[in-house]
Amino acid sequence: ETGVTQTPRHLVMGMTNKKSLKCEQHLGHNAMYWYKQSAKKPLELMFVYNFKEQTENNSVPSRFSPECPNSSHLFLHLHTLQPEDSALYLCASSPRGGTSAGTDTQYFGPGTRLTVL
Amino acid sequence: AQTVTQSQPEMSVQEAETVTLSCTYDTSESDYYLFWYKQPPSRQMILVIRQEAYKQQNATENRFSVNFQKAAKSFSLKISDSQLGDAAMYFCAYPNAGGTSYGKLTFGQGTILTVHP
Repeated sequence: ETGVTQTPRHLVMGMTNKKSLKCEQHLGHNAMYWYKQSAKKPLELMFVYNFKEQTENNSVPSRFSPECPNSSHLFLHLHTLQPEDSALYLCASSPRGGTSAGTDTQYFGPGTRLTVL
Repeated sequence: AQTVTQSQPEMSVQEAETVTLSCTYDTSESDYYLFWYKQPPSRQMILVIRQEAYKQQNATENRFSVNFQKAAKSFSLKISDSQLGDAAMYFCAYPNAGGTSYGKLTFGQGTILTVHP
């Protein structure tokens, strides 16, 4: 257990569905991240939030919409996804945020395995 | 742009033996951190070890140590006295510590380590 939880652990959705992934960290961290892990590809950073503000959008398609209502919760809203969006989505957090975030260890959740039919 | 390269897609080791996983990276910065993360079959990514580039001494964490060669931009992970629980995918990672990409981690492609009893 790393102190970062993700729900659901598995999700199957159709291309026309709308669903949300949830991440919660109980560590008092100030930075949170969404990553995509596809088979045979390196882990790809999607979004970074520092102190609830989005500081990085790594050219992610608009069908992925993040939300960070407070420093403990991070959501990824999904709509009209494509089959190639099927992947493991990982959430992570790190302690300090801001310019210190790049020096901190990131703590990962267990991931949500997403399948888009 | 920073890149991280792990040239060994798969490695194997006998239990109790030593194995070294390689990682090279490209950066124009002089002060930075480097990380090795482990992702076991349970899929939850955890930190193995981290190295601060300005420190001459190689980081060590129990059976895990690094061989950090800054001039060569090489950051290899040595696992001594390998155990069955070490079987996992190992990722080398480099963070963007500056600019607006606070906390952005660039990961290598990963190395799958198999430990034989």
